[in-house]
Amino acid sequence: QQQVKQSPQSLIVQKGGISIINCAYENTAFDYFPWYQQFPGKGPALLIAIRPDVSEKKEGRFTISFNKSAKQFSLHIMDSQPGDSATYFCAASMNEPDTDKLIFGTGTRLQVFP
Amino acid sequence: SAVISQKPSRDICQRGTSLTIQCQVDSQVTMMFWYRQQPGQSLTLIATANQGSEATYESGFVIDKFPISRPNLTFSTLTVSNMSPEDSSIYLCSVVGAGANVLTFGAGSRLTVL
Repeated sequence: QQQVKQSPQSLIVQKGGISIINCAYENTAFDYFPWYQQFPGKGPALLIAIRPDVSEKKEGRFTISFNKSAKQFSLHIMDSQPGDSATYFCAASMNEPDTDKLIFGTGTRLQVFP
Repeated sequence: SAVISQKPSRDICQRGTSLTIQCQVDSQVTMMFWYRQQPGQSLTLIATANQGSEATYESGFVIDKFPISRPNLTFSTLTVSNMSPEDSSIYLCSVVGAGANVLTFGAGSRLTVL
């Protein structure tokens, strides 16, 4: 119940295309869903996060879509760029990160080719 | 957000030895955590570092193998004891800043055990 399932494991997209990464969870008590971006040799960095009271959140080219009934959420990267090539992790927790630990998905390695 | 410095950034160690990783934050934080990221894998929480008291370990991790100290609000250490090749991994310090409610990661310490 504590797992967050992420797919695909790897993704290859052409420059300008849309990258879509999906995550699913079981625990309905989760109410905070962040996405982290990790470049090689660096620690993961928060990219965007959503709470279940909204179905979509957009920040620039990055959008989280949230489907509470299906217990799924996804990251969409519009107009993907080579600089977006990184590993992306979804995560979930029952509260804010200062009161509850984050459970991470298995990661998606995104490669964007020119 | 908080800036995290981890030392060492990488090390190569012999089987049976121990290594201590340091995590220094540039501001006071409410929570400090230690994660492990095995090659190509997700992020697994080892423990929550509690200031002035024993760390809280996740299932599968024990104090004898991963002793943790947190003497104040800005510093913590993780020791990997009696290392084996299976301990080869990236160890990441992460924090939640006061009032930030965002989990921030350090760049990690890449450990290789021969």
